[in-house]
Amino acid sequence: AQSVTQLDSQVPVFEEAPVELRCNYSSSVSVYLFWYVQYPNQGLQLLLKYLSGSTLVKGINGFEAEFNKSQTSFHLRKPSVHISDTAEYFCAVRGSGSEKLVFGKGTKLTVNP
Amino acid sequence: EAQVTQNPRYLITVTGKKLTVTCSQNMNHEYMSWYRQDPGLGLRQIYYSMNVEVTDKGDVPEGYKVSRKEKRNFPLILESPSPNQTSLYFCASCRSTDYGYTFGSGTRLTVV
Repeated sequence: AQSVTQLDSQVPVFEEAPVELRCNYSSSVSVYLFWYVQYPNQGLQLLLKYLSGSTLVKGINGFEAEFNKSQTSFHLRKPSVHISDTAEYFCAVRGSGSEKLVFGKGTKLTVNP
Repeated sequence: EAQVTQNPRYLITVTGKKLTVTCSQNMNHEYMSWYRQDPGLGLRQIYYSMNVEVTDKGDVPEGYKVSRKEKRNFPLILESPSPNQTSLYFCASCRSTDYGYTFGSGTRLTVV
């Protein structure tokens, strides 16, 4: 079985500052990793995914994440955030051979002017 | 436009009154799944389906039923809703050869 831990439930930052949202996972099999974003009163939108290959993955809206197998982490980063990035971000893992997507509890990112 | 459509978006009902939340996808995806989202708990899988007539329980199936008679549709049925089923529900689908699920816009259910 897989599990995901998002280490920060809330992250406040100022506009144009860099941000890192942390995600750790556990699994006994190889994994596929995802970050989703949920804007207020909306559904979930896929930001980026790691399936294989390069450990640095670039997604939409200037976000990127790095897969670190030895540390079982998949942290999300953006070098300069905007007010419009205020949302809740979910890390998710799917085990090889499984259809099940397991989510972390989410990190609320608030970008202040 | 490729999408997962859920209906209704909002629903208030009374304890014990059967209801169905519909979900339809137009992407010919094999996999479909239902999740519920609760504050502080993230998203938890209720049921999933790997293809027509193939369904199985997720982590929190109690009080829910599903069916997959057609590839595009995956309704969620609450036979006798209770207040602890008040939640935000998401339907999602993906291709068996892909790994990223596409989510619907959600259904906010309140059971009083």
